[in-house]
Amino acid sequence: AQSVTQLGSHVSVSEGALVLLRCNYSSSVPPYLFWYVQYPNQGLQLLLKYTTGATLVKGINGFEAEFKKSETSFHLTKPSAHMSDAAEYFCAVSSAFSGGYNKLIFGAGTRLAVHP
Amino acid sequence: EAQVTQNPRYLITVTGKKLTVTCSQNMNHEYMSWYRQDPGLGLRQIYYSMNVEVTDKGDVPEGYKVSRKEKRNFPLILESPSPNQTSLYFCASRLQGAGTEAFFGQGTRLTVV
Repeated sequence: AQSVTQLGSHVSVSEGALVLLRCNYSSSVPPYLFWYVQYPNQGLQLLLKYTTGATLVKGINGFEAEFKKSETSFHLTKPSAHMSDAAEYFCAVSSAFSGGYNKLIFGAGTRLAVHP
Repeated sequence: EAQVTQNPRYLITVTGKKLTVTCSQNMNHEYMSWYRQDPGLGLRQIYYSMNVEVTDKGDVPEGYKVSRKEKRNFPLILESPSPNQTSLYFCASRLQGAGTEAFFGQGTRLTVV
């Protein structure tokens, strides 16, 4: 069975500071990993994903995440927070095996606040 | 423009009054899903569909029904809504296969009184 744990339901940073949102996963099969962002009153949109290949993945809006198999982690980072980054962020995992239905399993989410 | 469209965006209803939330996608995706989002619980899958006439239960299917008569549409039906179904609902679609991106609708905020 697969699961996702996001450490910290709320994270607050100053504008210009490093953003670090933590995600750990559990999977008995090779995982595909995703980060989604949800702005107020909107649906979720994909920030970045890891499937295969390079373990450091770059996404939109300056975000990146690193897949660390030994730590079963996929933490999201951004060097310098902007006010527009305030949103809720969801980590998700899916099975890498093709064939059949590959369910997306979401973490509980982390709400990021950015203050001046 | 590629999109998933849900309607309505907001709905207040009374216990027991049947309702349908519509979902339509224009990307010819095989997979479609319904999720509910509740504080502290993230997104939980209600039902999913792998293609026309192929649907299956997700993690929290009780009290919900779906149908997939056409590839683009995947309505969510609450036959007899109850207050514990008050939630934010999202429809999503994606291409078949592992690692594919899910595209989400704008959400439907449902309140059952």
